[in-house]
Amino acid sequence: AQKVTQAQTEISVVEKEDVTLDCVYETRDTTYYLFWYKQPPSGELVFLIRRNSFDEQNEISGRYSWNFQKSTSSFNFTITASQVVDSAVYFCALSAMMDSSYKLIFGSGTRLLVRP
Amino acid sequence: EAGVTQFPSHSVIEKGQTVTLRCDPISGHDNLYWYRRVMGKEIKFLLHFVKESKQDESGMPNNRFLAERTGGTYSTLKVQPAELEDSGVYFCASSQDRRANYGYTFGSGTRLTVV
Repeated sequence: AQKVTQAQTEISVVEKEDVTLDCVYETRDTTYYLFWYKQPPSGELVFLIRRNSFDEQNEISGRYSWNFQKSTSSFNFTITASQVVDSAVYFCALSAMMDSSYKLIFGSGTRLLVRP
Repeated sequence: EAGVTQFPSHSVIEKGQTVTLRCDPISGHDNLYWYRRVMGKEIKFLLHFVKESKQDESGMPNNRFLAERTGGTYSTLKVQPAELEDSGVYFCASSQDRRANYGYTFGSGTRLTVV
């Protein structure tokens, strides 16, 4: 199966708290890409990160960090010291072959609400 | 470089009417994708063009949806006649190659409301 699961439907935190968004994937491909996108209230999809399946190094970008664990098929996303502007829906996605073409397979998204 | 452009950004139409969404991909990107997010659900694949050819249209919900990409440049997605369940955000994305080794670039989306 080619599938992405984001079990957390909605998370609410108070500003400055750390928060981790979970992402678990299934794929039969040996080479694949994983992505995180942010959808703020304005509606557009904002690219956050792309990770190749061969690269298991964790990545940090400012307050954002990603933990890729191939052994558990997870690609979790942590926001440190959350801010109100982080409030959005976050999507994890897998680029995989399905029905004759490569496409992005999205999880159902996690809505993050950061309260002042 | 200019990004992926979609218009209109919003459209409100009555059930039974026709709406056409347009997507201009990044220049030189042969691969163009349409996705949509129906309220509260996951973002789902609709179809994939390689230049002007439909590579994969397995995600198109029914024959009320027609996508074209004349000349391999911009693409249109027509919904005729629109139904209430067609409401959602329609995203277009483009990539340089089929494997998206350089990633996908999404447009800002068209929010379609059918009343």
